[in-house]
Amino acid sequence: AQSVTQLDSQVPVFEEAPVELRCNYSSSVSVYLFWYVQYPNQGLQLLLKYLSGSTLVKGINGFEAEFNKSQTSFHLRKPSVHISDTAEYFCAVSAGATGNQFYFGTGTSLTVIP
Amino acid sequence: KAGVTQTPRYLIKTRGQQVTLSCSPISGHRSVSWYQQTPGQGLQFLFEYFSETQRNKGNFPGRFSGRQFSNSRSEMNVSTLELGDSALYLCASSLGTAYNSPLHFGNGTRLTVT
Repeated sequence: AQSVTQLDSQVPVFEEAPVELRCNYSSSVSVYLFWYVQYPNQGLQLLLKYLSGSTLVKGINGFEAEFNKSQTSFHLRKPSVHISDTAEYFCAVSAGATGNQFYFGTGTSLTVIP
Repeated sequence: KAGVTQTPRYLIKTRGQQVTLSCSPISGHRSVSWYQQTPGQGLQFLFEYFSETQRNKGNFPGRFSGRQFSNSRSEMNVSTLELGDSALYLCASSLGTAYNSPLHFGNGTRLTVT
């Protein structure tokens, strides 16, 4: 079975500072990894995904993530955050022979301080 | 292209009642998944449908059921509501049969059980 651990439940950071949101996963098979963002009263929006190829993936809104197979991690980074980045961020993993069963972390609440 | 549409946005029900939630996927998407989101448990997978067939099911009691119609629209039903069923219910659609197809989420239906 797959599982996802987001190591920080809350991350406060000052505007224009860099941020890293950590995600570790466990799986005995090849996985596909995703980061989603959720703004208040909305559904989840895809930020970026790792399916194969380059381990550094770039997403929307200036975010990027690096897949590290040896450390089973997929940390999300942004070099300079904005107030509008304040939201809940979810790491997700999918694997399996059939279907679209995704496993989500419990989320990291990012608060950008002016 | 229109996104995933969930109706209604808000519902208030009393214990013991039943409720039906509706989801219209993105045009062309044949897979529809349902998730329950609560502050304590995060996102929990309910079930996934593809071409009117349930492909995967999460660990929820039989009170939770769903179906998918030939136009890919999906409904989720919860019978004999309990207070613990209060949550944001998210529907997500995806293109394909493979587990590397990202999920596209609707804005959810917030169910409150009193």
